[in-house]
Amino acid sequence: IAGITQAPTSQILAAGRRMTLRCTQDMRHNAMYWYRQDLGLGLRLIHYSNTAGTTGKGEVPDGYSVSRANTDDFPLTLASAVPSQTSVYFCASSDSSGGMDEQFFGPGTRLTVL
Amino acid sequence: AQSVTQLGSHVSVSEGALVLLRCNYSSSVPPYLFWYVQYPNQGLQLLLKYTSAATLVKGINGFEAEFKKSETSFHLTKPSAHMSDAAEYFCAVSDFGNEKLTFGTGTRLTIIP
Repeated sequence: IAGITQAPTSQILAAGRRMTLRCTQDMRHNAMYWYRQDLGLGLRLIHYSNTAGTTGKGEVPDGYSVSRANTDDFPLTLASAVPSQTSVYFCASSDSSGGMDEQFFGPGTRLTVL
Repeated sequence: AQSVTQLGSHVSVSEGALVLLRCNYSSSVPPYLFWYVQYPNQGLQLLLKYTSAATLVKGINGFEAEFKKSETSFHLTKPSAHMSDAAEYFCAVSDFGNEKLTFGTGTRLTIIP
């Protein structure tokens, strides 16, 4: 593994189902992030984690939850998916949370909720 | 709260022509500014960043950007476009001590052969 991996690559999900998007990084970065990308809206921050054991809410957190049990993994869970959560989801990480460090992005998960 | 505005959701230039992608920011404190590029079906990767050192920042693939505080701008340029530059470009801003990166809505660059 080099960098950030996300799974699955794509998923079609029935509304009301629970779904967990997985994200793993091997760079030992402290900070991790989840974004959703929608046409015409750019990337919007869902949740973030400055370090293992801590999480925070971003711009669009409703309907999503995260956990950060260790440095490497940062799963995103949709407890009960709705069609408006159809999007491309990107996980990212950075060495620190001071704002000036580059964020490294995974390849994304394309989620369709029907 | 900080924000960025990217003027032009789509820009087309001829191969060999100047590339100019516009970004204006709004921040209550001196910002950190970034340009990221996204190739089709891929994640984002960093082109360049401004962190209060030199105002003219050089990045990868021949791109550069100039921080102009008086104009609150951080426009991205490249003297001569290549076909491989076709992608979506995102400007982003963060503040010192703030882990949250705010992205613009993106500009899709098309290169005309």
